[in-house]
Amino acid sequence: QSVLTQPPSVSGAPGQRVTISCTGSSSNIGAGHDVHWYQQLPGTAPKLLIYNNNNRPSGVPDRFSGSKSGTSASLAITGLQAEDETDYYCQSYDSSLSGWVFGGGTKLTVL
Amino acid sequence: QVQLQESGPGLVKPSQTLSLTCTVSGGSISSGDYYWSWIRQPAGKGLEWIGRIYPSGSTNYNPSLKSRVTISIDTSKNQFSLKLGSVTAADTAVYYCARMAVGFDYFDPWGQGTLVTVSS
Repeated sequence: QSVLTQPPSVSGAPGQRVTISCTGSSSNIGAGHDVHWYQQLPGTAPKLLIYNNNNRPSGVPDRFSGSKSGTSASLAITGLQAEDETDYYCQSYDSSLSGWVFGGGTKLTVL
Repeated sequence: QVQLQESGPGLVKPSQTLSLTCTVSGGSISSGDYYWSWIRQPAGKGLEWIGRIYPSGSTNYNPSLKSRVTISIDTSKNQFSLKLGSVTAADTAVYYCARMAVGFDYFDPWGQGTLVTVSS
C-alpha cells in the first residue's frame, strides 16, 4: 500500500488530454511538500518528468504539465502520442515517516 | 553529465546480506551539493526509497528498513554502497541508485538498476 495514491491505469486516444492524479495526506502533499513525477519506460529506470510540482527538466516536451492543490497533485499530458504509453509515478516527502514516498504508479494506455 | 551504475551479486540467499555498489562518473561524489540514495522496485510494483547518504557520511533511512540497512560512501573511489541484512524473498527487487540535490527532494539522475533475487 503506497503512501501516495494513484489510479492503476488511465487511457486516452491519440491527440487527447489525460490526467493522472496523486492523492496524499496532511503529512506529505498537504504539508506543503513538493510533488515530482517520473516516467518509466519498460525495463528502464524512472526518468524525472516534472519537478517541484510544475517544472519540466530540459528536454521534456511542454505537453507534460503538473499541478498541486491541497493534498493532491496531477500530471496532465496533452496531445497524447503512442510513445507516452508507459508507467508514471508521483513522489513527495512525508514528514511523519521522515522519508521520501512514491505513488503506486499509473499505467497509461494510448488507445 | 553525471552517470550512476549499480553493481553487485544478482542472487542472494535468504537470511544473508545483500551488498550493492553504485559508481558515480562524470562528477565528484564528494560535492556537498548532493545526497546519494538507494531506491528499489519489486517486479510489477511501485518504488520504495531505502535511504540516502551525504558525503560527510551522514545517513537517513526508511524507518521500515532501518534495522537492516547500512549505506556507506567511499569518496576515494567515487562510490557509495548498500548493505541490507537478513534478506527474504520480499527483498527481491530491482535496486536503483540515484542523486538528490541539497535543498530539493527529487531524484535525478538514476542508475539503470540491478535485479537482486533472494532465493536458496
